[in-house]
Amino acid sequence: AQTVTQSQPEMSVQEAETVTLSCTYDTSENNYYLFWYKQPPSRQMILVIRQEAYKQQNATENRFSVNFQKAAKSFSLKISDSQLGDTAMYFCAFGGATNKLIFGTGTLLAVQP
Amino acid sequence: DAGITQSPRYKITETGRQVTLMCHQTWSHSYMFWYRQDLGHGLRLIYYSAAADITDKGEVPDGYVVSRSKTENFPLTLESATRSQTSVYFCAGTAGTASYNEQFFGPGTRLTVL
Repeated sequence: AQTVTQSQPEMSVQEAETVTLSCTYDTSENNYYLFWYKQPPSRQMILVIRQEAYKQQNATENRFSVNFQKAAKSFSLKISDSQLGDTAMYFCAFGGATNKLIFGTGTLLAVQP
Repeated sequence: DAGITQSPRYKITETGRQVTLMCHQTWSHSYMFWYRQDLGHGLRLIYYSAAADITDKGEVPDGYVVSRSKTENFPLTLESATRSQTSVYFCAGTAGTASYNEQFFGPGTRLTVL
């Protein structure tokens, strides 16, 4: 069975600085997808970025980028130029052969002014 | 707008009562999902549906029942609510049949069982 681990329950970063959130996963599948979702205080789940396992190039979306290490089964999220609006819970998720997503336990990120 | 609405947004009930959480979608999502979110557990899948009249269990299905007689509705019923079912419940949908498709989430229902 697939598992997703986020080992940092809480993190803090100063506004305008860079922060990296960690995620590791375990799977025997070769083709899969990884996601980072953001959940601000409004509770709405918002997709931040997606990575296809067959792509070697790391995905980027504006200030958000990932460091995908397939062999190490690692999928970290880097947020550059952190903004107050980035304050949220961040979830890493795995999507494999089924259409189900397996979520990590989340990292609560606080951006300090 | 993710095309998914949930009702009610907040619900307080008592142990032993039956509760139904509603989920309605307007984007023709083929797959629909119910998750519960608890501190320290992230989101856990309760049930999912690939199409009308096709449902299957997720990770934590005990105590819950779902149905999907119409593609656009996917209600979740707690047959006899327990305090351990106090949680935030999310309905989600995805338009495609491949795992790379983004799941779109509703706004969530906060359920408290007294």
